[in-house]
Amino acid sequence: EDQVTQSPEALRLQEGESSSLNCSYTVSGLRGLFWYRQDPGKGPEFLFTLYSAGEEKEKERLKATLTKKESFLHITAPKPEDSATYLCAVQGRGGSNYKLTFGKGTLLTVNP
Amino acid sequence: EAGVAQSPRYKIIEKRQSVAFWCNPISGHATLYWYQQILGQGPKLLIQFQNNGVVDDSQLPKDRFSAERLKGVDSTLKIQPAKLEDSAVYLCASSLGQKVLETQYFGPGTRLLVL
Repeated sequence: EDQVTQSPEALRLQEGESSSLNCSYTVSGLRGLFWYRQDPGKGPEFLFTLYSAGEEKEKERLKATLTKKESFLHITAPKPEDSATYLCAVQGRGGSNYKLTFGKGTLLTVNP
Repeated sequence: EAGVAQSPRYKIIEKRQSVAFWCNPISGHATLYWYQQILGQGPKLLIQFQNNGVVDDSQLPKDRFSAERLKGVDSTLKIQPAKLEDSAVYLCASSLGQKVLETQYFGPGTRLLVL
């Protein structure tokens, strides 16, 4: 069974203080790893898909990287509007072809 | 482009009552998903449709949950009878349905509270 563990559960940063969120995964053959952002009272919003170890993707202050066992979401010089829950999900090759397995998320708070 | 639409946005019911949620996916998306997100948890897949056929319903509590997508477009998820532990956000997502690995786009969710 695919498993995703995200850490830390919660992270509080000052505006401009860079940091990283971790997503460790166990999957029977990784098809893809997804990062989503979820604001309170809203559905998850797609950020990135990573397909293979060594891949990196960037969007504004966010950069996602992937190894064979984990992914990192690096946040550079965060702003208060980056405050949200960040969800990691994997799609493996076993079982349902389309099923995403999500972690519990990291709640990021950026103080001005 | 319009996103995934869901209604109602909020619902409060007594235990043992029934409730139904509606979802309209992004136009042209053949694959539709229903997820359950309990407070503090990540979304968990309940059921997945490809057009109007079920691809995966292995995690759907079939004794009380049912879902349909009769015309291959919008979908309804029903709970009957509801239990306290069904309190959660029910998220609908859709994807193109052309490849195995695709981005899933989520709606705003329906927040259910069972008293």
